Amino acid sequence: QLVLTQSPSASASLGASVKLTCTLSSGHSSNAIAWHQQQPEKGPRYLMKLNSDGTYSKGDGIPDRFSASSSGAERYLTISSLQSEDEADYYCQAWGTGIQVFGGGTKLTVL
Amino acid sequence: EVQLVESGGGLVQPGGSLRLSCAASRFTFSTYAMAWVRQAPGRGLEWVSTIGGSGIDTYYADSVKGRFTISRDNSKDTLYLHMISLRAEDTAVFYCAKHDGSGSYVNYWGLGTLVTVSS
Repeated sequence: QLVLTQSPSASASLGASVKLTCTLSSGHSSNAIAWHQQQPEKGPRYLMKLNSDGTYSKGDGIPDRFSASSSGAERYLTISSLQSEDEADYYCQAWGTGIQVFGGGTKLTVL
Repeated sequence: EVQLVESGGGLVQPGGSLRLSCAASRFTFSTYAMAWVRQAPGRGLEWVSTIGGSGIDTYYADSVKGRFTISRDNSKDTLYLHMISLRAEDTAVFYCAKHDGSGSYVNYWGLGTLVTVSS
């Protein structure tokens, strides 16, 4: 069964960097995922697609401060030079034949 | 840029029905699979349903199978979600979403429409 696991919360200081993790369930370590951002009281926004080999492709207008990487079943989203508007919920998404799965989301607090 | 505008949300009694619409623009609608994703109050994102570009292939989450029907009118660039036998736990903001060219991940989102199921 395809399941994505994310830590419920993370925090980092303004101007610092943070690395968020999404873990794929057993047997799915080669799956690509997508990262989405949801700022408070707003709809989600697609950030990027991340492949198992660590290559990624970003959506329109996504700043260079956002990057991604992979290791085994782990998929990472790194945000550098944190700004106040990066305070948001971050979701990973995976897919299979006829199914889409979202992780539970990580709430990022910018201190 | 891609635009997705949902409508049709509102207050409905348990057991009732509702039809959501999503007007799409600024891309070739019939070429892309489309989806509905919902978010209950204070909760995370939950995939509801996906439909292929031609409208033939449809997929549903187990939680809505048999109660929700996804459809599309490519002549009107519009996506629909017909919901019946609504339950309190269906209360959520429903987002219209566009899949990428391979029908895999979502790469554009609408702003959402709120569905409240309550007596």
